[in-house]
Amino acid sequence: GENVEQHPSTLSVQEGDSAVIKCTYSDSASNYFPWYKQELGKRPQLIIDIRSNVGEKKDQRIAVTLNKTAKHFSLHITETQPEDSAVYFCAASWGHGNQFYFGTGTSLTVIP
Amino acid sequence: DADVTQTPRNRITKTGKRIMLECSQTKGHDRMYWYRQDPGLGLRLIYYSFDVKDINKGEISDGYSVSRQAQAKFSLSLESAIPNQTALYFCATRGTEDTQYFGPGTRLTVL
Repeated sequence: GENVEQHPSTLSVQEGDSAVIKCTYSDSASNYFPWYKQELGKRPQLIIDIRSNVGEKKDQRIAVTLNKTAKHFSLHITETQPEDSAVYFCAASWGHGNQFYFGTGTSLTVIP
Repeated sequence: DADVTQTPRNRITKTGKRIMLECSQTKGHDRMYWYRQDPGLGLRLIYYSFDVKDINKGEISDGYSVSRQAQAKFSLSLESAIPNQTALYFCATRGTEDTQYFGPGTRLTVL
């Protein structure tokens, strides 16, 4: 099955700086890569996703890049704010309705 | 996301007890999932269902069973709970698009 690895496990940045979280996947058939944000005590919520036919996607301060050849994708958060502090999970999936494989999460702390 | 609900939200039980966690959704989604979350291990899939008659094992199904009573309801059972099943359990749904919607979670403690 698919194996998704996520790094780093913890990340601290100063407010206003950028944060980058990286994930690698093993199954070349994976074609959908979502990112979830989980605030303390809350449920994971989708913040951005990308499909294999696209190399980059942006939504305001958040962007995701995908390198299919290297089988890795990254989350970029610019101009970080304290409310960005949370655990972020990447995931990979292939085919519609198939299961998701999640990374182990990155705990991001934005220091005011 | 109030469209996906889980009961109970917290449960403390003893080793050997049978426990059922319930998930309901009003999104009209066919696909439903059960995950467990442990610190440092992310979200791991226990079972998933594409419709009432289609149940599939995930990567960590041992010790668990599920029931899809209706399109809107998907229950997870621990037949004989053990302490290493202490975790946060999430139900999720997925419709025709790829986005998964998670329930609020059930924190289960097995003593």
